[in-house]
Amino acid sequence: DGGITQSPKYLFRKEGQNVTLSCEQNLNHDAMYWYRQDPGQGLRLIYYSQIVNDFQKGDIAEGYSVSREKKESFPLTVTSAQKNPTAFYLCASSMTGGSGGNEQFFGPGTRLTVL
Amino acid sequence: SQKIEQNSEALNIQEGKTATLTCNYTNYSPAYLQWYRQDPGRGPVFLLLIRENEKEKRKERLKVTFDTTLKQSLFHITASQPADSATYLCALDTGRRALTFGSGTRLQVQP
Repeated sequence: DGGITQSPKYLFRKEGQNVTLSCEQNLNHDAMYWYRQDPGQGLRLIYYSQIVNDFQKGDIAEGYSVSREKKESFPLTVTSAQKNPTAFYLCASSMTGGSGGNEQFFGPGTRLTVL
Repeated sequence: SQKIEQNSEALNIQEGKTATLTCNYTNYSPAYLQWYRQDPGRGPVFLLLIRENEKEKRKERLKVTFDTTLKQSLFHITASQPADSATYLCALDTGRRALTFGSGTRLQVQP
């Protein structure tokens, strides 16, 4: 089955710890994205990558880092510098980035709670 | 500043009626506009895409309109069913990078 997976579904972290969220896709998509969603709010873009070994900051990149060493994988690290990391994190992919009107395919999300 | 507005209050309608959701935007010139459905605790699912030069798009019971003069898109679900209850997100695609999402409108269809 083609799709996009995220793990874990729920994650608990102590303050001051870094944590890495996994995102994998087998859709052969070039572009991948990370969004953050807070209760009652829309999705805010953290980072995106249009091609392997390249990525750009989104609107709220501070306190986060990413890598794109493989086409299939786009892990997100939430660092201790992120002031309010408790949120629902969504990973998405699309055939290509930028123009073209490509739909995005989303993973099931990871709910991160900082204790 | 750039802004996307969707009704923050939930929309409650009776089964069988047509639901109409609104997406307004300012200071954008989107090449495309997309609509997604999101169920609680899950990722959004793509529904429809409409281009700037299209006035209307249909898919089964769904219809989307796009008025670039009014800077508004309307999303209609005809013959609504309780299974249509979810949050619906509009997203602007300016053709430059990732999508920009609205905050969504929660639809509740009463049986």
